[in-house]
This record gives sequence, C-alpha cells and structure tokens, in this order.
Amino acid sequence: AQKITQTQPGMFVQEKEAVTLDCTYDTSDPSYGLFWYKQPSSGEMIFLIYQGSYDQQNATEGRYSLNFQKARKSANLVISASQLGDSAMYFCAMREGESSGDKLTFGTGTRLAVRP
Amino acid sequence: EADIYQTPRYLVIGTGKKITLECSQTMGHDKMYWYQQDPGMELHLIHYSYGVNSTEKGDLSSESTVSRIRTEHFPLTLESARPSHTSQYLCASSEYYLAGDDEQYFGPGTRLTVT
Repeated sequence: AQKITQTQPGMFVQEKEAVTLDCTYDTSDPSYGLFWYKQPSSGEMIFLIYQGSYDQQNATEGRYSLNFQKARKSANLVISASQLGDSAMYFCAMREGESSGDKLTFGTGTRLAVRP
Repeated sequence: EADIYQTPRYLVIGTGKKITLECSQTMGHDKMYWYQQDPGMELHLIHYSYGVNSTEKGDLSSESTVSRIRTEHFPLTLESARPSHTSQYLCASSEYYLAGDDEQYFGPGTRLTVT
C-alpha cells in the first residue's frame, strides 16, 4: 500500500488565489512527521513546511499552511495568494518514527501551474 | 540557504563507463542521503548514512555504491553505467535528531544520461 498518496497529478490556479494540494498518508506509527517540498524545473528540492504528529496546531510558514486532519490521515498544503513563481512540482513526504531510521517516503507529486 | 553541493550538474556518458557523483555539505550534518528520481516522478531513497563509516541501502535497489569517509562528503559510484541508470540523482543531508522537524536539505541534483 502507498504510504503517501497525492491524487492530483496536475493543478491550475489563478494568480493571487489560494490553492490546496492534497496529501493522504498511511502509517501505524504514533510518531511521525509530514513534510512538503517544492521542486522547480531547475530540479532542486526546497523545504516548505513541517507538521509533527503530536503538534496540536496546524503548521504555517508565510503563505504556506498545512491543513492537518489526523483522524482522516490527511496533510493538505494550502498556498495563499499564489504567485507565478509558485509554479512547480510539490511533493508530500512522511518520516515515520524511530523504526524507519528517519527516512523520508515521498508521494508522486502534484504539478502546480499558476496562471497570470 | 542550504550548503550542499553536487557535481556534476549534468553528465552524459557512454555505457560501461565508471562514474562518481560527488556530494558535499558544509553544515556538519551527520545524516546524508541519495535519492533517485525519474522525470516527473517521486523520489526513491537508494542509500543513506548516519555518519562516518556508516552506509545503508535504501528502499530502492540500486547497483550504485556509496562511501562516507568524511562527514562532509558522500560520493556515489556506478562501476559500469547502463542506460537504465539514466535519471536524476539528488543528495540530501540532515541533522541527527531522533525526532523533530529536522528537514532534509537537498543539493541541486545531477542529471545523468547514459547512452
């Protein structure tokens, strides 16, 4: 079974609007962390935001926020006020507790295109 | 800004050649990783290291090998390149916490094409 599922291969959003990128995960480990990375066409991976499984509040970093619904095992990324530079691939990733050796498992990604 | 470097950025090489992809970080991180990524696809962990003289195979089987003789250096070697090795290879590093928001910092990647 997939540990990280991103069901949206591609998304469009109008500049200055908000967009939600979906991510669901599967783990039986009570301790885990969820990450979102951005990958522009240049290829590097840029860390955006982190949510720990025990965090009580949803994580926020500037225009990025994470809609964490633990019971539903979802960790959707919300980008507010989209900019043209937000066009990129976005990957959701999970690190399970100590048993995983701190390795990250990535989803298949969502390609976001911001329209002017 | 992350201080993790990969060379070369692009490499086109013929079948059967031996290649080494370099990865260095100046952050003093104990943990380092190599991922393989086909275009538009997810990243797959192929090797990781928890520190000097520590190397482990990742979730995706790979014919490549790695070494960790110095904390800052984690090179990946292919003894005999094949077209099936054509991919992007991303190196990453992170601090050694048992848990927490220790994100992995990624290098710019090496795009390898084997003809």
